[in-house]
Amino acid sequence: NFMLTQPHSVSESPGKTVTISCTGSSGSIASNYVQWYQQRPGSAPTTVIYEDIQRPSGVPDRFSGSIDRSSNSASLTISGLKTEDEADYYCQFYDGSNVVFGGGTKLTVL
Amino acid sequence: QVQLVESGGGVVQPGRSLRLSCAASGFTFSSYAMHWVRQAPGKGLEWVAVISHDGRNKYYTYSVEGRFTISRDSSKNTLYLQMNSLRAEDTAMYYCARDPEPDQLLYCFDYWGQGTLVTVSS
Repeated sequence: NFMLTQPHSVSESPGKTVTISCTGSSGSIASNYVQWYQQRPGSAPTTVIYEDIQRPSGVPDRFSGSIDRSSNSASLTISGLKTEDEADYYCQFYDGSNVVFGGGTKLTVL
Repeated sequence: QVQLVESGGGVVQPGRSLRLSCAASGFTFSSYAMHWVRQAPGKGLEWVAVISHDGRNKYYTYSVEGRFTISRDSSKNTLYLQMNSLRAEDTAMYYCARDPEPDQLLYCFDYWGQGTLVTVSS
C-alpha cells in the first residue's frame, strides 16, 4: 500500500521560513496531485494547498507547495511564520486506488 | 462564500444506525463531487466515501463498504451519509468536504465543514 511519510514535528521562530516534507513510499508522487491541510487545535481542517500548488481564496501567499520528483516527495513551505500558523499539517494524495493521508506534522512557532 | 455545515452526529449504541447531513451553500452544489472524511479522537484523517457530482458514482473505504451509504439531494443542496451497523471504531468527527473542480473527481478537497461528532458506545 502506498504511504506518505511526514516528520512528526518541526519548530521555527516567528518571521522565519519552514518547510514540511511529505515522502511517497513508492511509485511517483508526481503522477497525481498533492494537497496540504492545516488543522489548528480543536478546529476542522482547512486546505492551504491543493493540486500541488494552488491556494484557495483567502490563503496567503506565504504558503507554497512544490514537488521534487528526484526524492519522490512534496513540500509545504511557509514563509514569514506567524504564531497563528501553529497547527498540524497533513499531506494527501490519491494513488489511483486509495486516498492517502500523511500522518501529520505538528508545527510549533516559538 | 462556500459553506458546508454538518449535522446529525450523536451517541449511538453498537449495531445501530445514524444519518449525517451536510448542507452546502455558496456554490453550485450539483457541479461538484463531495466527500466524507473522518478523524478518530487524537488520530489522523481518514477518507470515508465520495459521490460524483451527478450522484452516479459512489466509492467507499474498505472498512465501511456495505455498512455506509453516501447520497446527495441537489434540490436541497445536501449531502448525506447513512451509517448502519455502527462499530466502536467508527467513533470519530465526520467532515464533509468538496472536491475542487466542477464535473470532475480528483479525490482531494478544497473546502471542509466544521464536522459532526459520532460516538459509538454502549
